[in-house]
Amino acid sequence: ETGVTQTPRHLVMGMTNKKSLKCEQHLGHNAMYWYKQSAKKPLELMFVYNFKEQTENNSVPSRFSPECPNSSHLFLHLHTLQPEDSALYLCASSQEVAGGPTGELFFGEGSRLTVL
Amino acid sequence: ILNVEQSPQSLHVQEGDSTNFTCSFPSSNFYALHWYRWETAKSPEALFVMTLNGDEKKKGRISATLNTKEGYSYLYIKGSQPEDSATYLCAFDRDDKIIFGKGTRLHILP
Repeated sequence: ETGVTQTPRHLVMGMTNKKSLKCEQHLGHNAMYWYKQSAKKPLELMFVYNFKEQTENNSVPSRFSPECPNSSHLFLHLHTLQPEDSALYLCASSQEVAGGPTGELFFGEGSRLTVL
Repeated sequence: ILNVEQSPQSLHVQEGDSTNFTCSFPSSNFYALHWYRWETAKSPEALFVMTLNGDEKKKGRISATLNTKEGYSYLYIKGSQPEDSATYLCAFDRDDKIIFGKGTRLHILP
């Protein structure tokens, strides 16, 4: 148990569906992240929220829309996805100090997404 | 383009043997180097966060060294055990993002 919970663990959706992935952290951290893990590729950073403000959008297509209503919750809204978006989506959190290195990342177990 | 390279990609080690693998990263704009262990069906778990050139860190049978000037880090596992089977990821922390390598997949043979 890492203190970071992701739901759902598995999701199958059609290209015209709208769905959301949810992440919740119970660690009191001030930064949250979405990463994408595709087969045979390294973990790719998608979005970063520091102190609830989005500080990083790593050239992610607009069919992925993040939302961070508070420092403990992070969502990834999905709409009109493509089959190549099928991947494992990992959420992480960390405690950040302004101007310092990124703290240790605490990951959830991921949401396995399949787009048909 | 920033690349974090890990080698080897995959490694088979006899139980009880020691092993090591490498992470190389750009030597500019360095903030920190992270190592994570990722077991199948679990979440990645942090092993070390290293910030200073010459850092050496140890956790049980696992240790790591850091050379920021030449841009590499080594992870060592002493006396491999079956529970060490996992993918080991390193991540380079620049001043604006963390970039992961593809990982080294370690298999411990009984």
